[in-house]
Amino acid sequence: DAMVIQNPRYQVTQFGKPVTLSCSQTLNHNVMYWYQQKSSQAPKLLFHYYDKDFNNEADTPDNFQSRRPNTSFCFLDIRSPGLGDAAMYLCATSSRGTLRNEQFFGPGTRLTVL
Amino acid sequence: GQQLNQSPQSMFIQEGEDVSMNCTSSSIFNTWLWYKQDPGEGPVLLIALYKAGELTSNGRLTAQFGITRKDSFLNISASIPSDVGIYFCAGYGGKLIFGQGTELSVKP
Repeated sequence: DAMVIQNPRYQVTQFGKPVTLSCSQTLNHNVMYWYQQKSSQAPKLLFHYYDKDFNNEADTPDNFQSRRPNTSFCFLDIRSPGLGDAAMYLCATSSRGTLRNEQFFGPGTRLTVL
Repeated sequence: GQQLNQSPQSMFIQEGEDVSMNCTSSSIFNTWLWYKQDPGEGPVLLIALYKAGELTSNGRLTAQFGITRKDSFLNISASIPSDVGIYFCAGYGGKLIFGQGTELSVKP
């Protein structure tokens, strides 16, 4: 089945220690998104890639960066995690240019910062 | 910026009851999406709506795209315990804007 995969599902890091979360997709979608979701809140868009074009949200801290080496993979790098960065991180994909704006989410990575 | 108001914030119902939740916005959207999120998991797409006035069903779920393109509702008929979770509406108008979520609890 075509899907969005996130690894790891749970990640524990120390305050200030860089961490990388990964996302892969078998949907062959041209857009990949990273969202941050804190408890009892809606997902908040951090940035997205349309093919190789990176689009950052205006309020995304510089501490968050992303890489998309190819169509299938996208990474979220947190350079110096703070306690406030503990959250669920969601990857999503969509196929822009088809007039269908559905986004398909992965299962998420729960990040704990000690 | 664009905002969605989703209501109710939470619902406690008896198994077998019907459920209704809605989203309203001051902005027009091209697409309305409804997602369900289980604890510790990512949102799962339930229904996508593309045309004003469109009414779409997916099993026991029915959703409508409001005529004004500023609102949408989701109905769940004959609720069952596995309907428990958080339901999010989302409107697309350049990017996806989420409602605050409706937390549904179902008592067997």
